[in-house]
Amino acid sequence: DGGITQSPKYLFRKEGQNVTLSCEQNLNHDAMYWYRQDPGQGLRLIYYSQIVNDFQKGDIAEGYSVSREKKESFPLTVTSAQKNPTAFYLCAAGQGVGEQFFGPGTRLTVL
Amino acid sequence: GESVGLHLPTLSVQEGDNSIINCAYSNSASDYFIWYKQESGKGPQFIIDIRSNMDKRQGQRVTVLLNKTVKHLSLQIAATQPGDSAVYFCAERNGNQFYFGTGTSLTVIP
Repeated sequence: DGGITQSPKYLFRKEGQNVTLSCEQNLNHDAMYWYRQDPGQGLRLIYYSQIVNDFQKGDIAEGYSVSREKKESFPLTVTSAQKNPTAFYLCAAGQGVGEQFFGPGTRLTVL
Repeated sequence: GESVGLHLPTLSVQEGDNSIINCAYSNSASDYFIWYKQESGKGPQFIIDIRSNMDKRQGQRVTVLLNKTVKHLSLQIAATQPGDSAVYFCAERNGNQFYFGTGTSLTVIP
């Protein structure tokens, strides 16, 4: 999966809980991205980060938070404010105007 | 927001035949396009890309065509194999962001 690891592969959350999805890359890419994938829909951007200690909201940032303390790591927290968090979450990394490399994904299910 | 769509949600082809998957994009300012392949439960894999200053690019068994006049992108897979069965979607880049289509599910019939 292009040097990007995501963990865990499956995650279960009880209502009202915050959970954090891990994303690590060894590609030395500056930019990292979090997407959400739902059945029948294209990937939707949650947050992205162009450089360390900086990030921007994507189209569906509400109920999510991120941090970018290290170049290699871009964890995503799904907060209790996200009312419909069940989805497949994909992390990606990219450099300049080139392609994005994706991780294997984390499937989050709300119990 | 951006709108990247595919004309057909599903496509079935006989093994050995050629496959064509289409994509329409909405933003004429997009300057870079990618086709991805995604197998069930996995992350998308890069197949081929094309910049807006080109109209055709070929890879191994795959060709991407870009028609900027009608904002249309297509992926051609030659001699389709069972391992090609997956969801294929296009992506366009505009500024710092990529926008993704919903995908076409390709099934290869042995």
